[in-house]
Amino acid sequence: GNSVTQMEGPVTLSEEAFLTINCTYTATGYPSLFWYVQYPGEGLQLLLKATKADDKGSNKGFEATYRKETTSFHLEKGSVQVSDSAVYFCALSDPTSTDKLIFGTGTRLQVFP
Amino acid sequence: GAGVSQSPSNKVTEKGKDVELRCDPISGHTALYWYRQSLGQGLEFLIYFQGNSAPDKSGLPSDRFSAERTGGSVSTLTIQRTQQEDSAVYLCASSLAGTSNLHEQYFGPGTRLTVT
Repeated sequence: GNSVTQMEGPVTLSEEAFLTINCTYTATGYPSLFWYVQYPGEGLQLLLKATKADDKGSNKGFEATYRKETTSFHLEKGSVQVSDSAVYFCALSDPTSTDKLIFGTGTRLQVFP
Repeated sequence: GAGVSQSPSNKVTEKGKDVELRCDPISGHTALYWYRQSLGQGLEFLIYFQGNSAPDKSGLPSDRFSAERTGGSVSTLTIQRTQQEDSAVYLCASSLAGTSNLHEQYFGPGTRLTVT
């Protein structure tokens, strides 16, 4: 079945460090891919998305490229800030119908000044 | 504008009791989803509504779980005879459509359910 695997956390970085959170997926068909973020005490928010192979999603300095050949959608940011501390979820939408989201387990990012 | 709202924000109940969780989607959003976020299972899909119909109930974990949606708007998730393993944060999301593969899902703040 469809699934998402992402690196376990927590990821601990100093401010201005480079961030990569790995995400790979298994899916039939052509899913859309998403990164959602959950800041402390807040609800899930869409961070970025890509709907087809080679698309790059970007927002707030974060980027991820839809790589069909490696079935990956790794999240990157060149210089993290303390305010980026949150839990990040990789997800895909079920391509067979309904757009229900299938999530990875989440990766907690902690950025220290 | 108003986002997705859920109530209550927190619910503590005794094992064996029934609970109802409410979701008010964004006005005009025809698609509504329920998910569950728990420590052991991560974020899991429960049920999807398009309008008042539920064409995908595949994520409901047992027949103790049911949901309805009325007037194409408010949805209620009901858990009967609650068990401790039902303890989780229940999230609701809505979007403009459920089949285009393009529409963003907007999430509510969730209801934290604790079964004692």
